[in-house]
Amino acid sequence: KAGVTQTPRYLIKTRGQQVTLSCSPISGHRSVSWYQQTPGQGLQFLFEYFSETQRNKGNFPGRFSGRQFSNSRSEMNVSTLELGDSALYLCASSYRGEANEKLFFGSGTQLSVL
Amino acid sequence: GQSLEQPSEVTAVEGAIVQINCTYQTSGFYGLSWYQQHDGGAPTFLSYNALDGLEETGRFSSFLSRSDSYGYLLLQELQMKDSASYFCAVRKANAGKSTFGDGTTLTVKP
Repeated sequence: KAGVTQTPRYLIKTRGQQVTLSCSPISGHRSVSWYQQTPGQGLQFLFEYFSETQRNKGNFPGRFSGRQFSNSRSEMNVSTLELGDSALYLCASSYRGEANEKLFFGSGTQLSVL
Repeated sequence: GQSLEQPSEVTAVEGAIVQINCTYQTSGFYGLSWYQQHDGGAPTFLSYNALDGLEETGRFSSFLSRSDSYGYLLLQELQMKDSASYFCAVRKANAGKSTFGDGTTLTVKP
């Protein structure tokens, strides 16, 4: 069974631009969550989608948004990029997003904002 | 809100045993998980404790005390490949988010 796939692997943008990241979950998984990871810090929760609905949202500005499609693939978008948005963006999938389920992570998209 | 504390760095020698602690403050706690992340890699699930006690999976064990809001990951017979960052994470009941600690960087020396 294929793992969680994130594209692109690396991305370089300039301030003010927008970016869209893609995540394909493990087949059969309907919950997709997104995390931001910066050097030396843990994973900061962005949002979680289940069956095309956003169920949970972290404490990030409205510039960060996402969506999920009927095939469970998810995208996240960051508009008006800032230098501080440079980070590794990870997505994780699980079957239903329930508390006792383990998360399967993709390798992430490394975003650099210049 | 939720917060977790874990040591930032731990160093040990090959073949030794190391314990990585995690204390948390949260409401509606459901379970404590541990993830391993090698440099440049994806976090991978190691263990999950919903109830008090010890869970053992090979060389790795995880412990939880809900009354103390405390858990730890125990790594035995350390190998060089165990050098990585280790994160504890809590889940709230019926919430699709995990809150992660800042991670502990484990360095295993020969």
